[in-house]
Order: sequence, then C-alpha cells, then structure tokens
Amino acid sequence: GEDVEQSLFLSVREGDSSVINCTYTDSSSTYLYWYKQEPGAGLQLLTYIFSNMDMKQDQRLTVLLNKKDKHLSLRIADTQTGDSAIYFCAEGGSQGNLIFGKGTKLSVKP
Amino acid sequence: KAGVTQTPRYLIKTRGQQVTLSCSPISGHRSVSWYQQTPGQGLQFLFEYFSETQRNKGNFPGRFSGRQFSNSRSEMNVSTLELGDSALYLCASSPGTSGVLQYNEQFFGPGTRLTVL
Repeated sequence: GEDVEQSLFLSVREGDSSVINCTYTDSSSTYLYWYKQEPGAGLQLLTYIFSNMDMKQDQRLTVLLNKKDKHLSLRIADTQTGDSAIYFCAEGGSQGNLIFGKGTKLSVKP
Repeated sequence: KAGVTQTPRYLIKTRGQQVTLSCSPISGHRSVSWYQQTPGQGLQFLFEYFSETQRNKGNFPGRFSGRQFSNSRSEMNVSTLELGDSALYLCASSPGTSGVLQYNEQFFGPGTRLTVL
C-alpha cells in the first residue's frame, strides 16, 4: 500500500546543516512534497520536486530524490532556531489526497 | 488573499456526543480535504469534497461524514464521539486537481483541536 516513512527526531546546532530523510512506496507519484508545521499552526508547503528531477534547490533548501531507492531528503543549510518545527514528507496518493509521513521534529540548539 | 479558516479552534466534548467542524477554503478553491492528526497515527486522510460532491474517501468509519456547500465551505461531522477521536482536525483547500500525476499543493488551515472526555 501507500506509505511514507521518516525518522521522528533530529537535533542540530544553529548554523549547521540539517538533513531530513524520507522513504516512500508509491513509485507512480509524480510529485513529492515537504511541508513544515510550527506549533499551533497548520501545515505550510516548503517545497516540492517533480519525479523526473534528481535535485531541486530553493535558497537554503535542497531536495534530493533517488527514485530508484524511493528516497527523498530535505537539506536545510545554515539552520536557524526559527527552523525548529515538524517537517513532513508527502507523496500524492491514488485518491487525490496526500500521503504524509509521521513527521520529523527538528530541534535547533543555539 | 485570506487563508484557510477553521472554526472553532478548540472544542471539548464528551463520549457519545456529536460535533461539527467548519472550514472556509481560500477564495476560488473548489477542493476541500480533511485530515486527522494524532501523535500515534500522524496525518490521516478523511475525505475530499469537490464541487459539493465527495470525490475521495479515506479509511474512517461512517461516524465521520462531511459536506460541502455551493460556496465551497465545508463541514465535517463526527457522531457518537469516542476517546480515540481526540485529535487535531486539519482542513486543506486546493484549486481542485486530483490524482498522483497532478501537482496538488494543498493549503492548510490552523486546525481544530478536538478533545473528547
């Protein structure tokens, strides 16, 4: 079935790079997404990647896609305390919905 | 452009009661999706409405239902509440594309935090 897996926690120091990893099962997904959720808020789309791309860069964000291994990663350069949040990987589901991972809680220490 | 709004933001109910949550999508968006977020199960898809019709449905019991009005506003209803229904209920709106081949950016509201006692 459709499933998305990601590690639950990541802790980094301010100024370091953060790498959040995700694996997914549905190889037919054309788009893969990264969402961010701050405390008390809904989800906000950070970036997405089209499945025929290997990499996409958007300012401090770099998305890497290994379609063969069904592995997606999000790298945040120069991580700041304001980046502390929960990050969700998502793929397009067959029902027109999004299939989300359980989220990776990123803690940034000053 | 105003974002997705959800009311109420917080709700406390007791077992056996029913509850109705409301979502107003971004102006011009025709699709509204509902998700349940819990610490254990993460984000799970409830259903999607498009042009007043339920277009897709997740694996939730019939106690969970919804509807969409002609102005695209949507409500979801949970009857005979159980303790396990305590969750953050998120509504997301999108222009209306569907399927794995389509770019499907969903804009989320802040959610309604439902606590069942």
